[in-house]
Amino acid sequence: AQSVTQLGSHVSVSEGALVLLRCNYSSSVPPYLFWYVQYPNQGLQLLLKYTTGATLVKGINGFEAEFKKSETSFHLTKPSAHMSDAAEYFCAVRLQTGANNLFFGTGTRLTVIP
Amino acid sequence: SQTIHQWPATLVQPVGSPLSLECTVEGTSNPNLYWYRQAAGRGLQLLFYSVGIGQISSEVPQNLSASRPQDRQFILSSKKLLLSDSGFYLCAWTHNSGPQETQYFGPGTRLLVL
Repeated sequence: AQSVTQLGSHVSVSEGALVLLRCNYSSSVPPYLFWYVQYPNQGLQLLLKYTTGATLVKGINGFEAEFKKSETSFHLTKPSAHMSDAAEYFCAVRLQTGANNLFFGTGTRLTVIP
Repeated sequence: SQTIHQWPATLVQPVGSPLSLECTVEGTSNPNLYWYRQAAGRGLQLLFYSVGIGQISSEVPQNLSASRPQDRQFILSSKKLLLSDSGFYLCAWTHNSGPQETQYFGPGTRLLVL
C-alpha cells in the first residue's frame, strides 16, 4: 500500500530564509509525485510534479523538489521565502499502474515571518 | 483552456437536510472526475471518482453518494446530512490518458452542517 508522510504540520520561516518542507512516501513500486499549494479558502494548485527523467524538478513561484529514490523522499524547497508563500502545502503520490488515485499527505502549513 | 467550476461556494445546512453539490468541467472531454473532502486540520480524503458517465467508484463508505449524469458534470449528494459532513469539498479532474496526468482542482465548496 502507498502512503505519504509530511513531517511537520506547521513550519515557520523568516522572510528571505530557506523553505524546506519534507515529504516521504511509502510505495511498493516507484510512484509519480506531486506538490500542491492551497491558499485560504481556495482549491489546490499544482506547484510541480515528478514523473520521469531528471530527479530535480522545478515548479512555479521558485519552488523545486528532488526525488530521492534511496530515501523515498520528495522534499520541497525554495531558497528565499516571500510573504506570499504563506499557505498550506500538500505532497501527493500516485502509482504508475492500477487505480488512478492521488494519495495526499496531511499537509504542512507554512508561515512566513516578516 | 480547461476550467472547473463548483457551486455553491458556501453552504450552511441543518442536520438531516439533503445535499447537492455540483461540479462541471469545461474545455475537455471524457475527463476523470474526483470528489475530495478536507476536514478542518486534516488532509484530503478521496470520496468518489469517476472514469465515465454513470461510472462511480466509492472510496469511503458513508452517507454521501455521487453521480455523473453528463460527461463533464459530477454531483455529490446526501439524503440526510450529519454534523460530521461539515468540511471543504473539492472537485478535481484529470485527462484520462494515464497516472502521470495532473489533477486540477476546483475552488471548493465550504459546507457547514448545524
